[in-house]
Amino acid sequence: GQSLEQPSEVTAVEGAIVQINCTYQTSGFYGLSWYQQHDGGAPTFLSYNALDGLEETGRFSSFLSRSDSYGYLLLQELQMKDSASYFCAVRGGYSGAGSYQLTFGKGTKLSVIP
Amino acid sequence: EAGVVQSPRYKIIEKKQPVAFWCNPISGHNTLYWYRQNLGQGPELLIRYENEEAVDDSQLPKDRFSAERLKGVDSTLKIQPAELGDSAVYLCASSLGPTDHEQYFGPGTRLTVT
Repeated sequence: GQSLEQPSEVTAVEGAIVQINCTYQTSGFYGLSWYQQHDGGAPTFLSYNALDGLEETGRFSSFLSRSDSYGYLLLQELQMKDSASYFCAVRGGYSGAGSYQLTFGKGTKLSVIP
Repeated sequence: EAGVVQSPRYKIIEKKQPVAFWCNPISGHNTLYWYRQNLGQGPELLIRYENEEAVDDSQLPKDRFSAERLKGVDSTLKIQPAELGDSAVYLCASSLGPTDHEQYFGPGTRLTVT
């Protein structure tokens, strides 16, 4: 099966940089995704890493180390609107029809303060 | 482009009553997912469809839950009878195909069972 660990809460100051870590255990690994979810809203896709290294998309970057079963999401120049829950999700374990299971972590609630 | 549409947004029912949720995925998306999200947790997959075929329903409590996706477009998830523990947000998501790592989520249906 799959399991993921990420901090439950993080607080950071507007304009600062914050890193949200995620460690995972999986039977077979194909990639790590990050989703953002505002209270009462739908999860929205942020990034996906299948290979080791850093992927950058604007203010957000995501890193993966497959040998360490570890990844992180880096948010720069924090804005108040970044206050939300962030979920890492691992793709691993064959689930049929050419696809693999996507298992979500419990999420990290980020609070951005002035 | 219209996103994933779900209805109703909120539903309150008494235990032992039936309930149904409806989802219309993004046009052209062949893969449809139903997730359940409990408070403070990440989404958990209930069932995945490739067109009209359910290809991964290993997490669906089949004694009370059922789903269908007629004609490979809209989908309905039903619970009968509902239990107190079914209170959660039911999310529908879609993607172009089973290997597409970006899933698009709808706003969800918040179910409260009293």
